[in-house]
Amino acid sequence: EAGVTQFPSHSVIEKGQTVTLRCDPISGHDNLYWYRRVMGKEIKFLLHFVKESKQDESGMPNNRFLAERTGGTYSTLKVQPAELEDSGVYFCASRLTSGIDNEQFFGPGTRLTVL
Amino acid sequence: LAKTTQPISMDSYEGQEVNITCSHNNIATNDYITWYQQFPSQGPRFIIQGYKTKVTNEVASLFIPADRKSSTLSLPRVSLSDTAVYYCLVGGSGSTLGRLYFGRGTQLTVWP
Repeated sequence: EAGVTQFPSHSVIEKGQTVTLRCDPISGHDNLYWYRRVMGKEIKFLLHFVKESKQDESGMPNNRFLAERTGGTYSTLKVQPAELEDSGVYFCASRLTSGIDNEQFFGPGTRLTVL
Repeated sequence: LAKTTQPISMDSYEGQEVNITCSHNNIATNDYITWYQQFPSQGPRFIIQGYKTKVTNEVASLFIPADRKSSTLSLPRVSLSDTAVYYCLVGGSGSTLGRLYFGRGTQLTVWP
């Protein structure tokens, strides 16, 4: 069974540019989460989708971040315009609703560097 | 939200048993205790989850005392490949929210 995949693995952009991260969850997982770790900090929750609906987006830092999950399959996270403090590793995770509570399957992450 | 406290780092030798203890004094009644493992350049990976007493799977054991204010992750006979960061998380169950709260974790280094 394929795991959670994320694209790209690395992205280097300049301040003010736009970047779109993609996450493909495990097939059949209705729950999809985005997290990020900025340098020297803990992994922080960004938002949670159940199918195509945003269940909880309380962790989104500001309106420069836009997440979508059209069709309830893959998800994208767009940062526009990117700022220096957005640099970090962005993780996506998915979870089967009927699975073990709190067992989320994480992707390898996308390392974003904003210059 | 229950805050967790765990050692910043631990060292061990191959073949030893490693116990990592986590404190969570403010754990709520419906909170589960979950442990994740993370290798460099990878996302966290679920290891084990428990509510009370002892839970064991093929990877680890989780010991939870009756007051549930702490928990201990036990890794039997560690190998070099167990070198990773281990996170103790406390959170509710049965909810569609399921957001995870990560702390700093414990960096475990296994030496030959």
